Amino acid sequence: SQTIHQWPATLVQPVGSPLSLECTVEGTSNPNLYWYRQAAGRGLQLLFYSVGIGQISSEVPQNLSASRPQDRQFILSSKKLLLSDSGFYLCAWGVPGVVGGYTFGSGTRLTVV
Amino acid sequence: GENVEQHPSTLSVQEGDSAVIKCTYSDSASNYFPWYKQELGKRPQLIIDIRSNVGEKKDQRIAVTLNKTAKHFSLHITETQPEDSAVYFCAARSPPYGGATNKLIFGTGTLLAVQP
Repeated sequence: SQTIHQWPATLVQPVGSPLSLECTVEGTSNPNLYWYRQAAGRGLQLLFYSVGIGQISSEVPQNLSASRPQDRQFILSSKKLLLSDSGFYLCAWGVPGVVGGYTFGSGTRLTVV
Repeated sequence: GENVEQHPSTLSVQEGDSAVIKCTYSDSASNYFPWYKQELGKRPQLIIDIRSNVGEKKDQRIAVTLNKTAKHFSLHITETQPEDSAVYFCAARSPPYGGATNKLIFGTGTLLAVQP
């Protein structure tokens, strides 16, 4: 069966520090991968998605970047965190070409101080 | 691109009552509409979905209806229980444009509180 792993679960980082969040999927090949952010009390905002290795699409201009160095690995990064980067970051995967929902990882709660 | 609006933002009901959450979408080409439940501090989980060729779908106490003409869909929970308390998100799957992949665009969420 397919599983999605996301880490770390929580992170407290100072303003101006770098960020690296990692997501991996097991049990499937060539998944579509997504990064969402959920600010406190808000909805799910799509940040990036990827349909293959090295293929990244950005949905909103921001202080973050994403990379997909391997088929089932998706990384969210920042060179210098801002206070506004705080939130709950969720990785998700979906099956290309299939009409269906996404499966979300367990999320990373990021607090920038 | 697709835009999804969700109402109400908060909903409080008595245990045993019904709850209804409504969403509208903007892209008439969207063809898939899932609903997710998110408990506090946890990941969203898919609870029910509907495709654009179906008007209604039911799974025990939850049901979803879709009106393609009006571009709105709703979640209905009957005989609510305290464990139904959570944030509920609707979403619409926008088709791929210009070579992009399909994407799920989410509503802003509804905090449902079921009072015992």
